[in-house]
Amino acid sequence: GAVVSQHPSRVICKSGTSVKIECRSLDFQATTMFWYRQFPKQSLMLMATSNEGSKATYEQGVEKDKFLINHASLTLSTLTVTSAHPEDSSFYICSATRQGLNTGELFFGEGSRLTVL
Amino acid sequence: GESVGLHLPTLSVQEGDNSIINCAYSNSASDYFIWYKQESGKGPQFIIDIRSNMDKRQGQRVTVLLNKTVKHLSLQIAATQPGDSAVYFCAENMAGTGRRALTFGSGTRLQVQP
Repeated sequence: GAVVSQHPSRVICKSGTSVKIECRSLDFQATTMFWYRQFPKQSLMLMATSNEGSKATYEQGVEKDKFLINHASLTLSTLTVTSAHPEDSSFYICSATRQGLNTGELFFGEGSRLTVL
Repeated sequence: GESVGLHLPTLSVQEGDNSIINCAYSNSASDYFIWYKQESGKGPQFIIDIRSNMDKRQGQRVTVLLNKTVKHLSLQIAATQPGDSAVYFCAENMAGTGRRALTFGSGTRLQVQP
């Protein structure tokens, strides 16, 4: 159990367009989802914390108007990269905590690779 | 930031040897630690975890050691196999507190030579 699915797994877009990435918890309810970004050969960096039904909390240095996060239900969070630029090209990974599980463990999606031309 | 490195060190081992991957963490308040394996183009895969009230935990072919005194974590992989080749990250959390997100270390690339 505890499967997290991301879609799309790969996306290529033109500079200036917006891209939406979906993160779904398939077999559990996730009150909190986290969005990470990973550049090549680097570690995962937390971008924001997404809580169901409330505004996301962004990490320092992450532009909330550029990376729009919506957590409309207990099983779905979306990340929209607005007006994407080549420097936004990265591997975006979502993760979720399982409702009722307070161990600190996160369940990760397979990631979405964004390439902005 | 915490526990974020600038390099991705590589550990190269022969198939069948034991591997030891090390990680230093900086937040003394962290009480939950996880090792993840990440293969190219994929999300992190849970390997093993340990709580701060333990100093050792064993799984199948893997052992995690925690030294809270020096804030050091290690992952031991016994009889390393080619399928173990990946990047390994340690991650820390403060379970039961307001902060629920994991903080990741810089990672170590494990290359297993057949």
